[in-house]
Amino acid sequence: AQTVTQSQPEMSVQEAETVTLSCTYDTSESDYYLFWYKQPPSRQMILVIRQEAYKQQNATENRFSVNFQKAAKSFSLKISDSQLGDAAMYFCAYRENSGAGSYQLTFGKGTKLSVIP
Amino acid sequence: DARVTQTPRHKVTEMGQEVTMRCQPILGHNTVFWYRQTMMQGLELLAYFRNRAPLDDSGMPKDRFSAEMPDATLATLKIQPSEPRDSAVYFCASGPPAGARGEQFFGPGTRLTVL
Repeated sequence: AQTVTQSQPEMSVQEAETVTLSCTYDTSESDYYLFWYKQPPSRQMILVIRQEAYKQQNATENRFSVNFQKAAKSFSLKISDSQLGDAAMYFCAYRENSGAGSYQLTFGKGTKLSVIP
Repeated sequence: DARVTQTPRHKVTEMGQEVTMRCQPILGHNTVFWYRQTMMQGLELLAYFRNRAPLDDSGMPKDRFSAEMPDATLATLKIQPSEPRDSAVYFCASGPPAGARGEQFFGPGTRLTVL
C-alpha cells in the first residue's frame, strides 16, 4: 500500500521569506501523480501544485515550486516570498496513474504553516 | 465557475439519528470520492465511484454507512444510526475522466457533530 509521510507537523516562516515543506512517499508504481493541497481555516481543500512522475522537470506555479526526487521518493514544496494568506495546513498527496489502479488520493498527515508578520 | 457543492455545510444531530450528506460533482466529471477528515486519522477515503458505479468502499463501516449515486449530478452518503465517533468533516471530491490531469476538486465539506 502507498504511504505518504510529512515529517514536519508545524512550520513557521517570516513574511516575505522562503519556506520548504517536506514530503516522502512509498510506492512500487512507476507512474503516478503527486499533489500539494492547501487547507486554510475555512477547511476548503485547494490544489496548489501537481507533479507527474514521468516528468523530470519540477512543477512551478507562481511562488510555489516543488523539488521532485523520484529515486529518493521525495516531493518537497517551496513557497517563496511568503504571504500572510499562505498560512494554512498543507497536505501532500499521491495518486496512481495506472489504468487498472485506484484513483483515490492518499494523503500525508499535514504540515501546519504559520506566517509571522 | 465550476465547483463541487455539498449540503449541508454543518449538521448537529443526536446519536442514533440518520444523517444524509449530498454532493453535486462538477459537470463532466465521472469520478466521485467521499473522504473523512478527523484530527486523529487525518484524511481517509470512504468510498468512490466511477461512472456512477461504486469501485471502492473498503474504507466505510458497512453496517452503518452507505454511499450511492442516483444520477450523475448527485452523490449521497448516509449514516444510520449515527454515533459520536462519526463526528468529522466529510468531503466530496470529483475528478475528470482518466487520462486527464489527475486532479480532484473538493467541495467545501460537511462538518458533522454527533452528540
